[in-house]
Amino acid sequence: AQSVTQPDIHITVSEGASLELRCNYSYGATPYLFWYVQSPGQGLQLLLKYFSGDTLVQGIKGFEAEFKRSQSSFNLRKPSVHWSDAAEYFCAATGTASKLTFGTGTRLQVTL
Amino acid sequence: DTEVTQTPKHLVMGMTNKKSLKCEQHMGHRAMYWYKQKAKKPPELMFVYSYEKLSINESVPSRFSPECPNSSLLNLHLHALQPEDSALYLCASSLMNTGELFFGEGSRLTVL
Repeated sequence: AQSVTQPDIHITVSEGASLELRCNYSYGATPYLFWYVQSPGQGLQLLLKYFSGDTLVQGIKGFEAEFKRSQSSFNLRKPSVHWSDAAEYFCAATGTASKLTFGTGTRLQVTL
Repeated sequence: DTEVTQTPKHLVMGMTNKKSLKCEQHMGHRAMYWYKQKAKKPPELMFVYSYEKLSINESVPSRFSPECPNSSLLNLHLHALQPEDSALYLCASSLMNTGELFFGEGSRLTVL
């Protein structure tokens, strides 16, 4: 079955520290991969996407993600976290364009 | 214009009421989606419209009735809901065959 796993339910980092959020997928072929962010009470915003090509993709707000086929992973990174980055982060994948499979999400808390 | 607009932002209704949620986008996207999101959970797909035709219904109860009057508008008609239907309802749109979704801010529904 197709699935997306985010192993970390909750992560706390200090402002200015680096961040890595983990995502693993299980699909028959390499899916399209996405990271979305959701602030409390808001909709989801796309941070970045991977379709093919360069395995290191850049997104908005200083985020990047690296696709590793051998590890079936698509981890999200940011060199220096800002307090405004506190939010829920969802990794998602799709083998067809119509149905996204979301991970369970990782809640990021940023301490000052 | 890269917005998906949802109204109302908040809705409280009784179990015998009939109400509607509305969604509008002017990005020329031909796919539109309804998702349901419970607290601390990822969004769950309910319906997908492609070129104004219902293409996916994720076995949603008939008390939820979607409608796509034109390529820019998507409605979700609600009737005889249950308290467990209380949730954040998210509308999204996308260009066909990309899987990249643009979400609205959601309608927070409370069923009494």
